[in-house]
Amino acid sequence: AQSVAQPEDQVNVAEGNPLTVKCTYSVSGNPYLFWYVQYPNRGLQFLLKYITGDNLVKGSYGFEAEFNKSQTSFHLKKPSALVSDSALYFCAVRDPQGASGTYKYIFGTGTRLKVLA
Amino acid sequence: NAGVTQTPKFRVLKTGQSMTLLCAQDMNHEYMYWYRQDPGMGLRLIHYSVGEGTTAKGEVPDGYNVSRLKKQNFLLGLESAAPSQTSVYFCASSPGLGRVLSTDTQYFGPGTRLTVL
Repeated sequence: AQSVAQPEDQVNVAEGNPLTVKCTYSVSGNPYLFWYVQYPNRGLQFLLKYITGDNLVKGSYGFEAEFNKSQTSFHLKKPSALVSDSALYFCAVRDPQGASGTYKYIFGTGTRLKVLA
Repeated sequence: NAGVTQTPKFRVLKTGQSMTLLCAQDMNHEYMYWYRQDPGMGLRLIHYSVGEGTTAKGEVPDGYNVSRLKKQNFLLGLESAAPSQTSVYFCASSPGLGRVLSTDTQYFGPGTRLTVL
């Protein structure tokens, strides 16, 4: 069965420091991986996705993520954090073969990022 | 281009009451989804639709019904609300480029906060 794990409920980082939000996945075959961000009282916004190709994916707002097949990880990173990056971040996976004829996404439980000024 | 909109934004129900949540998208997307978001549990898929006139069950469908009579609208119904259905409900849509190797990115609405007393 597909699954996504975000092992940290909250990540605190000082402004200007690099940040990492962790995500590991379990899926049969090659995964489609996504990161979404949710600001307070808002819906989720797409940040970036990995489908195939280069393991380092660049997305919105200076974020990037590295796909590591051997470690089944897709960690979100940013070289220099901003206070405005403070939000709830979700990792998601979709089985590219549409297992059981479905087109479902499995979301992680979310990681709250707090960037301290 | 409004994207994905949800109506209403907030609602308080008494146990046993019924209501319908409306989701509308103006991006001509094929796929639409209803999720609920609960603390510590991330997003869980309730129902989804891969095209006008089609619906399917997600991870937590019990107590909910859906309809997709028009491509742009996806309705979520609660026939007899229960306190366990207190949650924030998100609608999402995606292009649905094809059955295999689809690389859909989901676009989310702003959410509906529902409280059942």
